Amino acid sequence: EAGVAQSPRYKIIEKRQSVAFWCNPISGHATLYWYQQILGQGPKLLIQFQNNGVVDDSQLPKDRFSAERLKGVDSTLKIQPAKLEDSAVYLCASSQTGQPNQPQHFGDGTRLSIL
Amino acid sequence: AQSVAQPEDQVNVAEGNPLTVKCTYSVSGNPYLFWYVQYPNRGLQFLLKYITGDNLVKGSYGFEAEFNKSQTSFHLKKPSALVSDSALYFCAVSSNTGFQKLVFGTGTRLLVSP
Repeated sequence: EAGVAQSPRYKIIEKRQSVAFWCNPISGHATLYWYQQILGQGPKLLIQFQNNGVVDDSQLPKDRFSAERLKGVDSTLKIQPAKLEDSAVYLCASSQTGQPNQPQHFGDGTRLSIL
Repeated sequence: AQSVAQPEDQVNVAEGNPLTVKCTYSVSGNPYLFWYVQYPNRGLQFLLKYITGDNLVKGSYGFEAEFNKSQTSFHLKKPSALVSDSALYFCAVSSNTGFQKLVFGTGTRLLVSP
């Protein structure tokens, strides 16, 4: 089966600009996750979707970050305006139903650099 | 609140020797525990999980992990390390209720020398 697809792989922008990342999960997976991985740290959950509804966005900085999964398939994460501390790898993951015993499948991420 | 500690930033081992990567956790209720591996410029790849049952769990690429409830630990092990095992390893914990919410450790870099 095809894995989780993310684009772009790399993005360089200046602070205060906006940026968007795209994710296409594994076909049929109901649950989609966006993580932020800062260098030297483990991934931190930003937002979790169950189909097209938000399950958890408690750690999403909502003043600058937004995400949507309109048709319950692919998803977009946006940052506007970007800050220097947003430099990180943004990982998308999916799982079949979101049950706690299921492994998550990760894409290769988007590496964001803020100048 | 859930948390994971990986006390070693880096583990060095010679090829052919056994390896252990340590992980301790804290969670309310019974834990679901996972190990993931990350190669350079790649996403995380699932290795193995503990849900219930046998405390010794076997996973991909010859890795195994031992769940110890009294010590709240879930150490990753392999009897004979390969140079190709060199990567970043993450332990993660989820509670066993509701939707899965994984909390990851800070990662341990494994370096296997020839």
